[in-house]
Amino acid sequence: AQSVTQLDSQVPVFEEAPVELRCNYSSSVSVYLFWYVQYPNQGLQLLLKYLSGSTLVKGINGFEAEFNKSQTSFHLRKPSVHISDTAEYFCAAIIQGAQKLVFGQGTRLTINP
Amino acid sequence: DAGVTQSPTHLIKTRGQQVTLRCSPKSGHDTVSWYQQALGQGPQFIFQYYEEEERQRGNFPDRFSGHQFPNYSSELNVNALLLGDSALYLCASSSGQGAKTQYFGPGTRLLVL
Repeated sequence: AQSVTQLDSQVPVFEEAPVELRCNYSSSVSVYLFWYVQYPNQGLQLLLKYLSGSTLVKGINGFEAEFNKSQTSFHLRKPSVHISDTAEYFCAAIIQGAQKLVFGQGTRLTINP
Repeated sequence: DAGVTQSPTHLIKTRGQQVTLRCSPKSGHDTVSWYQQALGQGPQFIFQYYEEEERQRGNFPDRFSGHQFPNYSSELNVNALLLGDSALYLCASSSGQGAKTQYFGPGTRLLVL
């Protein structure tokens, strides 16, 4: 069965420091991978996606992620975070041939001044 | 260009009642998916509608039903509400049944007392 695991439920970092949010997936078939951000009391906003091609994908707000098939990972990174990046981040996957997004449990990113 | 819209934003119901939530997809999109997000968790797939038919369904009981209209908008109906149905209900739209990228609305927060 397909599953997505976000390895950290909370990540505190200082402003302007780099951050990495970890995501692993399990699937016996090809997957498409996404990162969404959820600000308090809001819906989900698409940060970036990997469908095919280059394994390093760049998204909005300075975020990027790297698809690693051998490690079955899709970690999200930002070289320098800002207070406004404080939010919940969700990794999600769709397996080939399916329509539904399967989400991880989320990682709460807290930026300290 | 209007994004995904949902109504109402908040709703309070009592156990046993029925509720209808509404969603209008992003302009140019014809596929609508519904997700339930319980507090502190990632969203869970309920079902997807395309061409006015339910195309895929998650592990939700028959109390959860839906409809898609010719203008692609959609409704989610929940009968015989339980306390455990309290959650944020998210609608996502995409273009075409095979499309992988889903765009989310702001959600409807349902509280069942």
